[in-house]
Amino acid sequence: GAGVSQSPSNKVTEKGKDVELRCDPISGHTALYWYRQSLGQGLEFLIYFQGNSAPDKSGLPSDRFSAERTGGSVSTLTIQRTQQEDSAVYLCASSSGPVRSSYEQYFGPGTRLTVT
Amino acid sequence: KNQVEQSPQSLIILEGKNCTLQCNYTVSPFSNLRWYKQDTGRGPVSLTIMTFSENTKSNGRYTATLDADTKQSSLHITASQLSDSASYICVVSGGNYQLIWGAGTKLIIKP
Repeated sequence: GAGVSQSPSNKVTEKGKDVELRCDPISGHTALYWYRQSLGQGLEFLIYFQGNSAPDKSGLPSDRFSAERTGGSVSTLTIQRTQQEDSAVYLCASSSGPVRSSYEQYFGPGTRLTVT
Repeated sequence: KNQVEQSPQSLIILEGKNCTLQCNYTVSPFSNLRWYKQDTGRGPVSLTIMTFSENTKSNGRYTATLDADTKQSSLHITASQLSDSASYICVVSGGNYQLIWGAGTKLIIKP
């Protein structure tokens, strides 16, 4: 595909359940980011993957959150034992180079997660 | 502490009018500053990226300015259209791979 895709677009889950969110970055992009955006708030950095390097997980809010990136392409963000405060839009972005060198960051449409 | 602050929080203008959005940052070191447009329910889309040496950059009816001395940036929208209704987010890249995001300005264009 031409852009970053995410699935599902919407997810409603019960408190305590696990969820998996998927991101397909632009082909060839080595960098992949996950962000969270609560209603009316700015983007909150979660995790960063760059090539085959160990990911930077410093933004993950708790050990209930984890992410992996298989084969340097598709990424999955997993939230275990979901809580109501996890409700937000989860955005994925990819770029072909480091953002400090002014490479464009391309975003997917996001997954809206609602925990009831 | 690295921060990006935007003003106003929200703005309503009539179609065809111009407007200017403000961004102040305290990010150090500084690599570049970006403006994004985010439509409701969509991911952000890049409008401009400026490095330290660039004072102004245009993208159609959007013109961004950067004053690296005062750590201020502005986004000017000329001849606004209904499709300009969105959130506009100022983002600063520091010395690593992370981006520092502002909370955005919500712009509403009324016919």
